[in-house]
Amino acid sequence: EADIYQTPRYLVIGTGKKITLECSQTMGHDKMYWYQQDPGMELHLIHYSYGVNSTEKGDLSSESTVSRIRTEHFPLTLESARPSHTSQYLCASSGADRGRNNEQFFGPGTRLTVL
Amino acid sequence: SQKIEQNSEALNIQEGKTATLTCNYTNYSPAYLQWYRQDPGRGPVFLLLIRENEKEKRKERLKVTFDTTLKQSLFHITASQPADSATYLCGVNTGFQKLVFGTGTRLLVSP
Repeated sequence: EADIYQTPRYLVIGTGKKITLECSQTMGHDKMYWYQQDPGMELHLIHYSYGVNSTEKGDLSSESTVSRIRTEHFPLTLESARPSHTSQYLCASSGADRGRNNEQFFGPGTRLTVL
Repeated sequence: SQKIEQNSEALNIQEGKTATLTCNYTNYSPAYLQWYRQDPGRGPVFLLLIRENEKEKRKERLKVTFDTTLKQSLFHITASQPADSATYLCGVNTGFQKLVFGTGTRLLVSP
């Protein structure tokens, strides 16, 4: 079982609200990722980090921002949520100390609905 | 353009048969390719990795092949079971431990 956690699991909010999706891992992984996935569609990488104080934008443009102040924590923030942000957000991590296959360990996801 | 293609239609097979899923990619030169399983409402779970210099990799009832000339990977589940029913994702490496995923193929194994 992967040691990566996301909260909340489900979130329903109104337009214009600021939200932060939490992601934490206890595996000491240096690399962390955020993906966005709509039902029946592929995962799209929106942000990633190679370590503390490192953040990069992914392949899919996103209005969200991320921070990596601690190795284990990689929160995602939306300053002003809109209905177009409604989606499933998945956090993942990978590292050299575990996972010789470079596999990514995924959290359970946050299902976000913006009304 | 760069893209990953997997069987868009669901694959329905009988228990005990071999399921074969396809992943085709264009305009990438991946160092490796990974396969994941995703159940409804959950995050993907890693199954197998195959590197560009490997033709085939096996793990229990799973087998993956990788043809860099055809730009294709095949994922096989032998002696399939209803518990194998899930969506299977192909992830193509595009850089330092970064992946681009296909839409996945939904596998349904009937008793």
